[in-house]
Amino acid sequence: AQSVTQLGSHVSVSEGALVLLRCNYSSSVPPYLFWYVQYPNQGLQLLLKYTSAATLVKGINGFEAEFKKSETSFHLTKPSAHMSDAAEYFCAVTRNTGGFKTIFGAGTRLFVKA
Amino acid sequence: DGGITQSPKYLFRKEGQNVTLSCEQNLNHDAMYWYRQDPGQGLRLIYYSQIVNDFQKGDIAEGYSVSREKKESFPLTVTSAQKNPTAFYLCASGTGGLYTGELFFGEGSRLTVL
Repeated sequence: AQSVTQLGSHVSVSEGALVLLRCNYSSSVPPYLFWYVQYPNQGLQLLLKYTSAATLVKGINGFEAEFKKSETSFHLTKPSAHMSDAAEYFCAVTRNTGGFKTIFGAGTRLFVKA
Repeated sequence: DGGITQSPKYLFRKEGQNVTLSCEQNLNHDAMYWYRQDPGQGLRLIYYSQIVNDFQKGDIAEGYSVSREKKESFPLTVTSAQKNPTAFYLCASGTGGLYTGELFFGEGSRLTVL
């Protein structure tokens, strides 16, 4: 069965500092992996997705993620945090069991300090 | 503009009452999904539908019901059998394919049981 683990329910960084949000997955087959962002009281918005074309995936707002099969990881990074990056971030994996379903991690809330 | 519309945004319910949350999409997507979001638990799948007139239970379907009579619409009914219905409910749609996998979300409906 596929599952997603996000390490750290809360991460705090200073404005301009590196952002690193961790995600590990378990999957018996090569997965399709996603990062979504959620601002307060809103739905989720896709940041980026990995579909096996390239291990380093670039997304919107300067975020990127690297797929590492040997570590079963798909960590999200951004070189320099901005105040507007403060939100909740979800890692997700798609599985196919009687239909295509997306399974989400528990989420990591990012705080950005001035 | 294309997108997903959920209504109402906020809903209050007395114990023992059924309520129906609306979800409409004009993206021409085949697949639609309902997720429940609770703090610290990420998103959990309630029901999903890959095609009109067909739907499947997700991981937490007990106490909920859905219908899919039109491609554009996927309403969710929270019944009195749902023991802890207070939550943020998110509707999503997608092409249903594993490769794309991207979900498009509505703004959510917050249900509070009084």
